Amino acid sequence: DAGVIQSPRHEVTEMGQEVTLRCKPISGHNSLFWYRQTMMRGLELLIYFNNNVPIDDSGMPEDRFSAKMPNASFSTLKIQPSEPRDSAVYFCASSFTGANTQYFGPGTRLTVL
Amino acid sequence: GESVGLHLPTLSVQEGDNSIINCAYSNSASDYFIWYKQESGKGPQFIIDIRSNMDKRQGQRVTVLLNKTVKHLSLQIAATQPGDSAVYFCAGRALTFGSGTRLQVQP
Repeated sequence: DAGVIQSPRHEVTEMGQEVTLRCKPISGHNSLFWYRQTMMRGLELLIYFNNNVPIDDSGMPEDRFSAKMPNASFSTLKIQPSEPRDSAVYFCASSFTGANTQYFGPGTRLTVL
Repeated sequence: GESVGLHLPTLSVQEGDNSIINCAYSNSASDYFIWYKQESGKGPQFIIDIRSNMDKRQGQRVTVLLNKTVKHLSLQIAATQPGDSAVYFCAGRALTFGSGTRLQVQP
């Protein structure tokens, strides 16, 4: 299995631009998680889906952030408009529902100038 | 809510020594914990987990100890190797992660 796939691996953009991060979970997993990691705040859960349905989005920082999961094999995290403070590494993880072990992707390093 | 944190931001050990990484949690009702290892440039990777009905669980070269009385858990790595150098996180069922301890293994 290829594991969780994220794209792009690196993204550099200017303030105000729209950013879309992509994730393909492990085949068969039905829970998907988006995290953000910074030096200051560590690893934070933004949102998670179960069977393509958002279950808990309380970690989404503000309305500029949105996430979708149109099918079991694809999810996006969008930031519009992006701001410098959004600079971080964004991880996607997946798991079987009810299983506590999550499998993380390699992350997308976002830099907003 | 559940709060999970780690005691030390950095731990430096000599190759071959045993390492102990500590973690504290706030919610006495927390019933499940996971340790993750994150190498530079990679996502966190599952190491070992433990449920609250256990005090100890062993894996390959790793042992997790849970002390529910003081709400503390630790990850012990035996015969630490350079490949163990990474940031280690403990996490609770509520998907709250601590800030991580960076383990540096000196040759």
